[in-house]
Amino acid sequence: DAGVTQSPTHLIKTRGQHVTLRCSPISGHKSVSWYQQVLGQGPQFIFQYYEKEERGRGNFPDRFSARQFPNYSSELNVNALLLGDSALYLCASSLLGQGSTEQYFGPGTRLTVT
Amino acid sequence: AQSVAQPEDQVNVAEGNPLTVKCTYSVSGNPYLFWYVQYPNRGLQFLLKYITGDNLVKGSYGFEAEFNKSQTSFHLKKPSALVSDSALYFCAVSNDYKLSFGAGTTVTVRA
Repeated sequence: DAGVTQSPTHLIKTRGQHVTLRCSPISGHKSVSWYQQVLGQGPQFIFQYYEKEERGRGNFPDRFSARQFPNYSSELNVNALLLGDSALYLCASSLLGQGSTEQYFGPGTRLTVT
Repeated sequence: AQSVAQPEDQVNVAEGNPLTVKCTYSVSGNPYLFWYVQYPNRGLQFLLKYITGDNLVKGSYGFEAEFNKSQTSFHLKKPSALVSDSALYFCAVSNDYKLSFGAGTTVTVRA
């Protein structure tokens, strides 16, 4: 079975630009979460979507937005990029999106902002 | 609020020796606790979780973890470490929908 897939693998953008990251969950999983992992730190929660509805948002500015599509895939959008947005962006899927349910992570998208 | 602490940035052990990676947590209500492992330039791989029940949880690749409610700890253990266990390990806690991760512990197993 295919795991969580993310695209692109790597991305280089300039400050002020916009970026869209994509994620396809494991087949049958209805929940997708996004995390930001800065080098040397643990992942930080950005968003969770379940059945196309936003269930939670972490402490990130409004420049960050996301959505989930009817096929449960998801996009993370970041506007007006800053140097500090450079990080590994991880997508995770889970069956039900409950706290007791383990999340399965994709390989991530490495975003570099110059 | 929920959080975890991993007090050791690095753990070094010889192959064949026991491996322990420490984690303490803070959460209101019943905790859901997880361990993940990350290899270089890769996403996180799920190792094991504690939801309820037996305090000793067994997971993938011979890892296990012991939940201790009185000490609010969830330490990861492996009786005999392998060189291939060298990686970055994260403890995480959840009581709703999001995972809160520790800063991670780098494990190096020397041959």
